[in-house]
Amino acid sequence: EIVMTQSPATLSVSPGERATLSCRASQSVGGNLAWYQQKPGQAPRLLIYGASTRATGIPARFSGGGSGTEFTLTISSLQSEDFAFYYCQQYNRPGAFGQGTKVEIK
Amino acid sequence: DVQVAQSGGGLVKPGGSLTLSCSASGFTFSDYTMTWVRQAPGRGLEWVSSINSGSYRFYADSLKGRFTISRDNSKNSLYLQMNSLRAEDTAVYYCARVLGIAVTGPVDFWGQGSLVSVSS
Repeated sequence: EIVMTQSPATLSVSPGERATLSCRASQSVGGNLAWYQQKPGQAPRLLIYGASTRATGIPARFSGGGSGTEFTLTISSLQSEDFAFYYCQQYNRPGAFGQGTKVEIK
Repeated sequence: DVQVAQSGGGLVKPGGSLTLSCSASGFTFSDYTMTWVRQAPGRGLEWVSSINSGSYRFYADSLKGRFTISRDNSKNSLYLQMNSLRAEDTAVYYCARVLGIAVTGPVDFWGQGSLVSVSS
């Protein structure tokens, strides 16, 4: 079973600042890693897949990196609508989301 | 436009059964792997089950034997039969499409979610 660990649990950032979220896999997943954004009461939204490919309609301020077991999601300049929960998911094998990172206003 | 519309959900007693349904449109349903993901109140996302275009099924280890995923390509529909429900199965259940035609992949379209509450 692949376990995904996200850090930090909560990230406090001021609007306009840069945010970097981390995701670690318990074993290599290659580049099979996705990032999702979820706001309260809404379904998740796909942001990044293939570790670094932005999904359709996702702004360029979102970028993903990494491979193997270490991955990052960077939001270059936080906008008000970016304050939300973020989850990583490996899809090298079915399943396995991380526990999430809450990005909150500082 | 791709749409995934869910139905079902509700309150069920421990030990009871419930079936969730999902109707898809705007894409060739039979070509895609479909998946169920759940989210307990105040918790993160948990993958439940997936079924590929050939109806090969995958389940989270913790759920095997109690939940059954199925699809009816003639109706563009996905189902999740849940048996022997427990309080810890209480969650919003999302029906969703996996991007591409591989057995696994990122999830690019999500339903609105169905709330399942297990309580006596």
